[in-house]
Amino acid sequence: DVKVTQSSRYLVKRTGEKVFLECVQDMDHENMFWYRQDPGLGLRLIYFSYDVKMKEKGDIPEGYSVSREKKERFSLILESASTNQTSMYLCASRDGNTIYFGEGSWLTVV
Amino acid sequence: GDSVTQMEGPVTLSEEAFLTINCTYTATGYPSLFWYVQYPGEGLQLLLKATKADDKGSNKGFEATYRKETTSFHLEKGSVQVSDSAVYFCALTESGGYNKLIFGAGTRLAVHP
Repeated sequence: DVKVTQSSRYLVKRTGEKVFLECVQDMDHENMFWYRQDPGLGLRLIYFSYDVKMKEKGDIPEGYSVSREKKERFSLILESASTNQTSMYLCASRDGNTIYFGEGSWLTVV
Repeated sequence: GDSVTQMEGPVTLSEEAFLTINCTYTATGYPSLFWYVQYPGEGLQLLLKATKADDKGSNKGFEATYRKETTSFHLEKGSVQVSDSAVYFCALTESGGYNKLIFGAGTRLAVHP
């Protein structure tokens, strides 16, 4: 089975903090993705990576950056967290034409 | 660009009722189509998929057929259970590029005993 693991399920951070969300997949997938999910807005793509050290902006990259130093790990970084980044964050990786998701990370910025 | 439209929810059904959740798409190429399910507090799980016209995806009693002529991929189940209560997302892989997923807005299903 494909396994996508997000290290933190629930986080509470203060405004202005730097936040790291970590995602690991164990299937040697090249493509990995970060989405955020908000009520009424559905799932929106923040960033994706198609190989180590390679990244592309998605639909809503503002306020975020990413890091892909190793193939299995794709990190989402909030340089200075703000309350409008309170959301559920979903990591995913691609196997052939199918994308598999992690369990999600609930981030609250206070 | 490519897009997915699915019926608005919530859909409320009694146990053992027949379920249909409509999904239509717009795409310039030949996308693969997916249904994902999200149970409360969890991430998205792949429910089923179809990669070409007339393919039928099926899993856990759910089915959907890739209809190119009507650009549809409706989700059906003959007899729903309380445990099927969740949000269902229709999605397609974008034509070309890196095959990013494009999602519909999601449809919440509530099944009552």
